[in-house]
Amino acid sequence: GEDVEQSLFLSVREGDSSVINCTYTDSSSTYLYWYKQEPGAGLQLLTYIFSNMDMKQDQRLTVLLNKKDKHLSLRIADTQTGDSAIYFCAERRTGFQKLVFGTGTRLLVSP
Amino acid sequence: NAGVTQTPKFRILKIGQSMTLQCTQDMNHNYMYWYRQDPGMGLKLIYYSVGAGITDKGEVPNGYNVSRSTTEDFPLRLELAAPSQTSVYFCASSYSEEEATNEKLFFGSGTQLSVL
Repeated sequence: GEDVEQSLFLSVREGDSSVINCTYTDSSSTYLYWYKQEPGAGLQLLTYIFSNMDMKQDQRLTVLLNKKDKHLSLRIADTQTGDSAIYFCAERRTGFQKLVFGTGTRLLVSP
Repeated sequence: NAGVTQTPKFRILKIGQSMTLQCTQDMNHNYMYWYRQDPGMGLKLIYYSVGAGITDKGEVPNGYNVSRSTTEDFPLRLELAAPSQTSVYFCASSYSEEEATNEKLFFGSGTQLSVL
């Protein structure tokens, strides 16, 4: 399909790991991104991965890319209450001067 | 740096009214974008601009118009507001679309628009 898909909601306890999943559409997408949206704010880039990589780690964040299945995931280690937000994956499709965003996953971290 | 500034933050319109959502950036970015965000949906691109004087349609341009007379400003115009345009609108900018390391989108804080 045309849409970048994510599950809508994830709830975890503080200190646990969170895994947010995304299925994208274009196997030739060059870059894939994770953005974070805190309440009342615009989106902020968290991390990105180039399509020739399988994994990227950045402090508590680990991005995994499965190109065969067109599946992207974001793992947040030692999740904190400040990580509560909506997380959007996005893909840069070949030939498009724009990002295509997923539906967003609302992460709720409880103490 | 102020980054990307959007005004107003909230607005209620009656059906058929018109309004302009303002967006300005002070980062000298070439690319600017308008997105709308509906509940449970991803961001949808309305219009974008690759530089002053150049604009192009995104995925959902109907009912909107834009202009880009300067590098800094990218206003979004609604001429005849309809309930379907109730949404949260985000303006964003980026330096270029070539280098992803430099090309991340910077977003404004959004405009919540209700059309009743």
